[in-house]
Amino acid sequence: DGGITQSPKYLFRKEGQNVTLSCEQNLNHDAMYWYRQDPGQGLRLIYYSQIVNDFQKGDIAEGYSVSREKKESFPLTVTSAQKNPTAFYLCASRKAPGQGNYGYTFGSGTRLTVV
Amino acid sequence: ELKVEQNPLFLSMQEGKNYTIYCNYSTTSDRLYWYRQDPGKSLESLFVLLSNGAVKQEGRLMASLDTKARLSTLHITAAVHDLSATYFCAVDMNYGGSQGNLIFGKGTKLSVKP
Repeated sequence: DGGITQSPKYLFRKEGQNVTLSCEQNLNHDAMYWYRQDPGQGLRLIYYSQIVNDFQKGDIAEGYSVSREKKESFPLTVTSAQKNPTAFYLCASRKAPGQGNYGYTFGSGTRLTVV
Repeated sequence: ELKVEQNPLFLSMQEGKNYTIYCNYSTTSDRLYWYRQDPGKSLESLFVLLSNGAVKQEGRLMASLDTKARLSTLHITAAVHDLSATYFCAVDMNYGGSQGNLIFGKGTKLSVKP
């Protein structure tokens, strides 16, 4: 079955360390997204990508970086510049407009904790 | 800037009662989504509302959309404990001809008590 796979499920980061969260989809979706969720809050957009080799900053991109070298993959790196990275990170994907599917598919999430 | 406001943010209900969650948004949008989230889990899609006057129902939940009022509602009928979760509405921002992205409300934490 198609879906989005996020790994790892739990991740611990030391101060000053960069870490990378994986997001892979086999849905043949064009667009991919990264959201951050803090306790008791809604989701906020970090980065999104509509096509390979192109991506756009969302509302809270500072301290994060992404790449989109393959359609299936959209990894997120949390850099040492992100001072408060402890949060739940969700990856999502969707088809291009006009393809009849308006739904977003979400991964199971990665919980990142600074130790 | 698009803003999405949900209310209430916390809702404690008794089983068997009815209640409505409201979702207001600040600018014109193409479509609106409702999601459910259980603690520590990802988002489960409940409804996608695509046009003014759209109404969708699944079990004890019914969602509607009024694009003129920029308002969506999620109505809960005869609540049961299994409906306890956090419910999010999200509005799809369509930036011109490009694909949009979702702007979320802060969520409504629903607790259904016996």
